[in-house]
Amino acid sequence: GQQVMQIPQYQHVQEGEDFTTYCNSSTTLSNIQWYKQRPGGHPVFLIQLVKSGEVKKQKRLTFQFGEAKKNSSLHITATQTTDVGTYFCAERSGTYKYIFGTGTRLKVLA
Amino acid sequence: DAGVTQSPTHLIKTRGQQVTLRCSPKSGHDTVSWYQQALGQGPQFIFQYYEEEERQRGNFPDRFSGHQFPNYSSELNVNALLLGDSALYLCASSRTRNEQYFGPGTRLTVT
Repeated sequence: GQQVMQIPQYQHVQEGEDFTTYCNSSTTLSNIQWYKQRPGGHPVFLIQLVKSGEVKKQKRLTFQFGEAKKNSSLHITATQTTDVGTYFCAERSGTYKYIFGTGTRLKVLA
Repeated sequence: DAGVTQSPTHLIKTRGQQVTLRCSPKSGHDTVSWYQQALGQGPQFIFQYYEEEERQRGNFPDRFSGHQFPNYSSELNVNALLLGDSALYLCASSRTRNEQYFGPGTRLTVT
């Protein structure tokens, strides 16, 4: 199926280290959403970015939308064990369809 | 305020059978989207319902069909099940094109 590329696919970090996942598209995006899925759980909405160059923060999480609106990133400062899970970006394709990225699976070692 | 609910939570079916999955959206939401998530992959968009009509569809065969009721709840039907249909089926509700709230999903196993 059609998917958006995310890198890295996996990331293991020591608790307290920083973590970044990148989402790249070949087309200009109208917006991008980020979701977190805990192991065995369902995706939970984190944020939506709409404007070129937009930066939004949620506590230790920083989300960025590229100037050309073709890429986005999620950065977590000082990871905690509660940050464990898979992080997905999702881009809108057409009017209503969202295409999810391949996901980055984060493991935090205590 | 109840979130998105789905039933059943787990289901085991045999190849060739048919299955119906159900979803109740979050209160105040009028749009329901269905996704298929295979193990280790991201959710794949199946289709979206709004005002009881399918208004966009992903790359899924006609064996996948759905319905939305006047109370905004929705069903996903899959006919002639294949082994490859084994996955977590997620329902997501939303208002307009804002954030999607996902339900806990239905784990379907086809044997």
